[in-house]
Amino acid sequence: GENVEQHPSTLSVQEGDSAVIKCTYSDSASNYFPWYKQELGKGPQLIIDIRSNVGEKKDQRIAVTLNKTAKHFSLHITETQPEDSAVYFCAAASGSARQLTFGSGTQLTVLP
Amino acid sequence: DGGITQSPKYLFRKEGQNVTLSCEQNLNHDAMYWYRQDPGQGLRLIYYSQIVNDFQKGDIAEGYSVSREKKESFPLTVTSAQKNPTAFYLCASSRLGLFDEQFFGPGTRLTVL
Repeated sequence: GENVEQHPSTLSVQEGDSAVIKCTYSDSASNYFPWYKQELGKGPQLIIDIRSNVGEKKDQRIAVTLNKTAKHFSLHITETQPEDSAVYFCAAASGSARQLTFGSGTQLTVLP
Repeated sequence: DGGITQSPKYLFRKEGQNVTLSCEQNLNHDAMYWYRQDPGQGLRLIYYSQIVNDFQKGDIAEGYSVSREKKESFPLTVTSAQKNPTAFYLCASSRLGLFDEQFFGPGTRLTVL
């Protein structure tokens, strides 16, 4: 089955700096890659996703890039703010699996 | 308000007891999911259901059971056969497409004493 590895497990940045979280996946058939943000005591919430037919997607300060050849995808957050502090999860899914496989999460802390 | 509700938020049980976690959604979603979250680990799929009266095992179904008698409800029973039941449990729902967003509830933290 699919295996998703996520790095780093913790990340601290100064407010205004950029943050990058990286994930690799194992199943070359995976074609959907969402990113979720989980605030303390809450359920995860989708922040951005990308499908395998595009290499990059951007939504304001958040962007995701996908390299299908290398089987890795990354989340980029620019101009970080304290409210960006949370746990971020990447995930991968394929039509055959019909389920999401999640990475282990990254605790992002934005220091004021 | 449309959304997913899970109750209770905190649950304590004695070892050897079965316990049922509630999950209700009013989003009219066909698919529902149960995940388990442990510290330092991602979300792991326990069970999922795409239609009433049908469900499939996820990666860690052993020691758990589910039912889907109504579209809006997908309760999870943690049985005494589950060796390490203490965890944070998340319920989610989505439309049926693989690329459709999964919406998560607030979670239930189960502690088995």
